[in-house]
Amino acid sequence: DAGVTQSPTHLIKTRGQQVTLRCSPKSGHDTVSWYQQALGQGPQFIFQYYEEEERQRGNFPDRFSGHQFPNYSSELNVNALLLGDSALYLCASSSYRGWWGYTFGSGTRLTVV
Amino acid sequence: AQSVTQLGSHVSVSEGALVLLRCNYSSSVPPYLFWYVQYPNQGLQLLLKYTTGATLVKGINGFEAEFKKSETSFHLTKPSAHMSDAAEYFCAALAPTGANSKLTFGKGITLSVRP
Repeated sequence: DAGVTQSPTHLIKTRGQQVTLRCSPKSGHDTVSWYQQALGQGPQFIFQYYEEEERQRGNFPDRFSGHQFPNYSSELNVNALLLGDSALYLCASSSYRGWWGYTFGSGTRLTVV
Repeated sequence: AQSVTQLGSHVSVSEGALVLLRCNYSSSVPPYLFWYVQYPNQGLQLLLKYTTGATLVKGINGFEAEFKKSETSFHLTKPSAHMSDAAEYFCAALAPTGANSKLTFGKGITLSVRP
């Protein structure tokens, strides 16, 4: 049973560019949450998607946006990249009803130069 | 708003020694609590969790944690450290207010194990 799959694993972008990160949730999960983990810090909640809608959002600017598809997979988009956006981006999936825990992917390491 | 505090950023122990990683939470209601481990260049792996019931929780790899409401703590312990335990450890809290609340993480503690 595949867990959470994220792609790509590593990415290098230039300031001002746009980036899209992808996440496929664990089989049976219908909710996807995104977290940003800066170097030496704990993960910070970006937002959560369920039924193709953003359900919760953390303290992140509008440059961060997302999408969830009918098959429950999700994308995280970041526009106008800043050096400070360099981080590990983690996707976590869960089941909205009958919640029992989150499963995290291995993350996408984004470097902005 | 809830918060999670992990005192100290680095803990070093000898192989075979006791591991104690501290976690305190601040929340208006006792949250669900979790410990995650992260190996270099990898995602988060759940070690154990406390939701309700027994306050002493056993997890994978010989780790356990005890929820102490009076101390607002959820410290992680392992009786005997192994070299493979060297990693980053995160404590996290989740408001028990409904499905899929967001996780609030501490800053993490790096565990080093000396031969």
